[in-house]
Amino acid sequence: DTEVTQTPKHLVMGMTNKKSLKCEQHMGHRAMYWYKQKAKKPPELMFVYSYEKLSINESVPSRFSPECPNSSLLNLHLHALQPEDSALYLCASSQTQWGPQHFGDGTRLSIL
Amino acid sequence: DQQVKQNSPSLSVQEGRISILNCDYTNSMFDYFLWYKKYPAEGPTFLISISSIKDKNEDGRFTVFLNKSAKHLSLHIVPSQPGDSAVYFCAGAGGTSYGKLTFGQGTILTVHP
Repeated sequence: DTEVTQTPKHLVMGMTNKKSLKCEQHMGHRAMYWYKQKAKKPPELMFVYSYEKLSINESVPSRFSPECPNSSLLNLHLHALQPEDSALYLCASSQTQWGPQHFGDGTRLSIL
Repeated sequence: DQQVKQNSPSLSVQEGRISILNCDYTNSMFDYFLWYKKYPAEGPTFLISISSIKDKNEDGRFTVFLNKSAKHLSLHIVPSQPGDSAVYFCAGAGGTSYGKLTFGQGTILTVHP
C-alpha cells in the first residue's frame, strides 16, 4: 500500500474544463513534488514544495497551477489543457528535499 | 541533454541468478543517486540510494555500487526472483536543484522461473 494517496486515479477532461488533482501524505514529510510521465518515458519533475513553499518550478506552463494548502496536501489545478498534456501525473513526498522520494500511484489524465 | 542514461532497455535473467542493472550519468554536480522499481499501473517504489561519499550500499538482496570517476552506478539483485520483474529507474540529484530527481529511461527486468 502506497503512503502517498492520489485522487482521482483516472480523469478525462475537455480542453476548456477546470479540474484539480489531489495528493495526500501522512508521513510528516515536508517536501512534496509533482511529476509528469509520458508513456515509455521517465518521470519529469514539474514542481517542488518545501515546507509548503514553492521551491522549484521547472518552467511549467501556467495552465498547470500547484497549491500546497498544508504540509499533508498538494493540489494541481488544471485549466485549458492541451491534448499533449495527457499523461500520468505522479505526486511524491520526502522528509526534506534531501531524502528519498516516495511516490503515489498517479492520476492518469486524458485530454479530449 | 540526457544527464542520466540507462543504455540497456531490457534485461532477462533466470530466477536465482544475479541481475545487474547499469546507469551512467554526465552531471558532475550529482552527489546522490537512487534506484526505483515500477510495476504497471503503480507509482515508482524507492529501492535503495547511495551518496557520493560512499562507493557501495547494501540492503538485503539489493546492492548499489558507485564509481564516481567513471560516472557509473549499478544495481545488483541477488538472488533474482520472478517478483522482481518490473521497470527499474536510476535517478540522480544534487547541485543547486536539490530535490530535483533526474531519471534515466528505465530498464525492463524480466526474471524467468
